[in-house]
Amino acid sequence: AQKVTQAQTEISVVEKEDVTLDCVYETRDTTYYLFWYKQPPSGELVFLIRRNSFDEQNEISGRYSWNFQKSTSSFNFTITASQVVDSAVYFCALSENSGNTPLVFGKGTRLSVIA
Amino acid sequence: NAGVMQNPRHLVRRRGQEARLRCSPMKGHSHVYWYRQLPEEGLKFMVYLQKENIIDESGMPKERFSAEFPKEGPSILRIQQVVRGDSAAYFCASSPRDLFINTEAFFGQGTRLTVV
Repeated sequence: AQKVTQAQTEISVVEKEDVTLDCVYETRDTTYYLFWYKQPPSGELVFLIRRNSFDEQNEISGRYSWNFQKSTSSFNFTITASQVVDSAVYFCALSENSGNTPLVFGKGTRLSVIA
Repeated sequence: NAGVMQNPRHLVRRRGQEARLRCSPMKGHSHVYWYRQLPEEGLKFMVYLQKENIIDESGMPKERFSAEFPKEGPSILRIQQVVRGDSAAYFCASSPRDLFINTEAFFGQGTRLTVV
């Protein structure tokens, strides 16, 4: 069975600090996809990244970076030099390669960036 | 190219009434997924549809809930005889192909259902 755990329920940081959001997943498949979504206060879901299980390279996109480690089943997300606009709930999600498997989401981490 | 459109954005229903939530996928997308987000929770999968077919409804409550995605028109999530516990945000996502085949699901802005 697939499962995504985001152990941090809420995090508060001061603007310009770096922050890492943790994501640990469980799956029995060898092929799977991992995702991060952002949900700002307005409520919509904004896609941030998709990573397949065969690509363990870390990725950087501006102030965002992702660290994928299969050995620890983790896909952590780091925001450097955080800004107030980064305040949102962030969700990690997993999709297994076993048919048309829908996304399984973690419970999310609420990030508050304080000016 | 408009994104996934959901309407209404907010819906208030009295207990016992019916709620109809609409989702128009992105142009060219033939796969639709419905998710429910309870307060302070992550999204939980409900149903996966392709045009005129329900592919996976393992997340749908057995009673009162139904979904369709007709050949023409939007996908509809229908909740009959709503109860207070149905109050949640309902999100629709669409994709051009099977989700895991090198694509992403684009989510709509959600419909926030409040049952009073």
